[in-house]
Amino acid sequence: KAGVTQTPRYLIKTRGQQVTLSCSPISGHRSVSWYQQTPGQGLQFLFEYFSETQRNKGNFPGRFSGRQFSNSRSEMNVSTLELGDSALYLCASSLGSRERPTDTQYFGPGTRLTVL
Amino acid sequence: AQTVTQSQPEMSVQEAETVTLSCTYDTSESDYYLFWYKQPPSRQMILVIRQEAYKQQNATENRFSVNFQKAAKSFSLKISDSQLGDAAMYFCAYIQGAQKLVFGQGTRLTINP
Repeated sequence: KAGVTQTPRYLIKTRGQQVTLSCSPISGHRSVSWYQQTPGQGLQFLFEYFSETQRNKGNFPGRFSGRQFSNSRSEMNVSTLELGDSALYLCASSLGSRERPTDTQYFGPGTRLTVL
Repeated sequence: AQTVTQSQPEMSVQEAETVTLSCTYDTSESDYYLFWYKQPPSRQMILVIRQEAYKQQNATENRFSVNFQKAAKSFSLKISDSQLGDAAMYFCAYIQGAQKLVFGQGTRLTINP
């Protein structure tokens, strides 16, 4: 079974631009979570989607948004990029369910975003 | 808020030896999950081992085992017969209720040949 895939793997943008990152979960997984990893703040939770609905949200500004499609693929968007948005963005998928929301998460290889 | 603490920023071990990485967490919940993930230089986050809080038996996966002390809120990882491929950042993580992992700061493990 194929693992979690993320595209693109690397991105370079300038301040003020916007960016969209994509994540395809493991087949059969319906929950997709996004994390930001930086040297200073470590790993921080952005949001989680389940069945096309945002189920949980971390403490990030509204410039960070996401969505999930009917095939469980998810996209994350960052508008008006700032230098501090430079980070590794990790996506994770899990089986998840409404009855049992907590489950093991499997991660993709990440997208390295550099903001100049 | 739940927190996870890894007090060892760096550890090193000789190849074939055993090493233990420490992790403590803070929660008022009784039902939760704990994980150890490894992140090699490729930056891919790989699941090492998982422990459900309601299980008293410590989880094991081949050379990897945990010492789960629920009352002490401690969750250490033991790596036996260390191999060069074990070199990575190791993250302890907690999850409860929602699909929101809370990570520790990580421990960088070096394997000396």
